[in-house]
Amino acid sequence: NAGVTQTPKFQVLKTGQSMTLQCAQDMNHNSMYWYRQDPGMGLRLIYYSASEGTTDKGEVPNGYNVSRLNKREFSLRLESAAPSQTSVYFCASSEAPITQPQHFGDGTRLSIL
Amino acid sequence: EDQVTQSPEALRLQEGESSSLNCSYTVSGLRGLFWYRQDPGKGPEFLFTLYSAGEEKEKERLKATLTKKESFLHITAPKPEDSATYLCAVQARAGGTSYGKLTFGQGTILTVHP
Repeated sequence: NAGVTQTPKFQVLKTGQSMTLQCAQDMNHNSMYWYRQDPGMGLRLIYYSASEGTTDKGEVPNGYNVSRLNKREFSLRLESAAPSQTSVYFCASSEAPITQPQHFGDGTRLSIL
Repeated sequence: EDQVTQSPEALRLQEGESSSLNCSYTVSGLRGLFWYRQDPGKGPEFLFTLYSAGEEKEKERLKATLTKKESFLHITAPKPEDSATYLCAVQARAGGTSYGKLTFGQGTILTVHP
């Protein structure tokens, strides 16, 4: 049981480069999420997808875009990376967007120079 | 604005020394409170969901309880493998939206020495 799989696990980018973080879940969950975790800031929601075909902004969406490719996959794109986007990024999924627990992947550690 | 405060920030215990972690919250109507465990270099691992005051959940050496203002995670006779960061998150009742926003606390770093 893989659960939530994120790729890559580590990435170093230069300022201005773009990249896409990939996330896939095999639990047949309807809802998916992208968070960033920074020291002293806790987990903050970037974007979410309550169900296939929908996406919405979270708490810190600026500088990011997302695509819900299908029920299993939810990608996060940085169009022009900035040093402030250096962080650990977590993808999560849940059966439903309300009351159901979210299950997390092991993260992508992203450094932007 | 929903707020979650966890205390202490860090807790060091000897193996077998029971203790409790605290999660205090203010939220405009609680839909659910979630406890997670996070190991270094890993994502948060779901432990419990509590929905209403008075509810309790148990798993091995862990027991979570909920009141109208706070939740406790009680650790009985901890072992070194219980060392981790424990996160608390609350979900509020948000009318008219398709998503219940999770607000996370900063976490408690628990270290259990043999």
